[in-house]
Amino acid sequence: ETGVTQSPTHLIKTRGQQVTLRCSSQSGHNTVSWYQQALGQGPQFIFQYYREEENGRGNFPPRFSGLQFPNYSSELNVNALELDDSALYLCASSPNGRGGPQETQYFGPGTRLLVL
Amino acid sequence: QKEVEQNSGPLSVPEGAIASLNCTYSDRGSQSFFWYRQYSGKSPELIMFIYSNGDKEDGRFTAQLNKASQYVSLLIRDSQPSDSATYLCAVRSGNTPLVFGKGTRLSVIA
Repeated sequence: ETGVTQSPTHLIKTRGQQVTLRCSSQSGHNTVSWYQQALGQGPQFIFQYYREEENGRGNFPPRFSGLQFPNYSSELNVNALELDDSALYLCASSPNGRGGPQETQYFGPGTRLLVL
Repeated sequence: QKEVEQNSGPLSVPEGAIASLNCTYSDRGSQSFFWYRQYSGKSPELIMFIYSNGDKEDGRFTAQLNKASQYVSLLIRDSQPSDSATYLCAVRSGNTPLVFGKGTRLSVIA
């Protein structure tokens, strides 16, 4: 069984640039959630994709966008990068986005983004 | 707004002692509660979850849930230096996303 993978591991960008982060879900999982974790904070929910459709969104501006592919892998795109976007971006997969409160999420290794 | 509160620590315990990590939450409708461990520079790793009031044990870890008090805790018995990490409490209701606390930093002193 393959776990959640993310790429790249590290990234440095400048203000105003655009970035794309990638995530491959764990085998058998059809749901991917993205989180942003700033230094010293807990992960903050960005959005979730279930079977290629957005299935919930947190309090993030529209310049944060994403998509999910038929193989359930996913991308997170951030436009017009700001300094505060510097964070660890985490992808988590789960077996079924509508599996109820007991469904667990498993995190990938994360992508550390630094915006200068 | 749903909130999850944790003492940021650091919580320092001697090797072999019991570490007690606490978490309170604001949403009375919360149904499931998760504990994740996060080593510095790494991603969160699921330790255990609990849904029902009472205790749930898994090896050296015990989760305790009291829904009336909106309180969940994690006990780590026989603490080891390798347990030194940040412990994140996460809460969920229905199909809503996980809401995380800021985490408690645990330091186990050899």
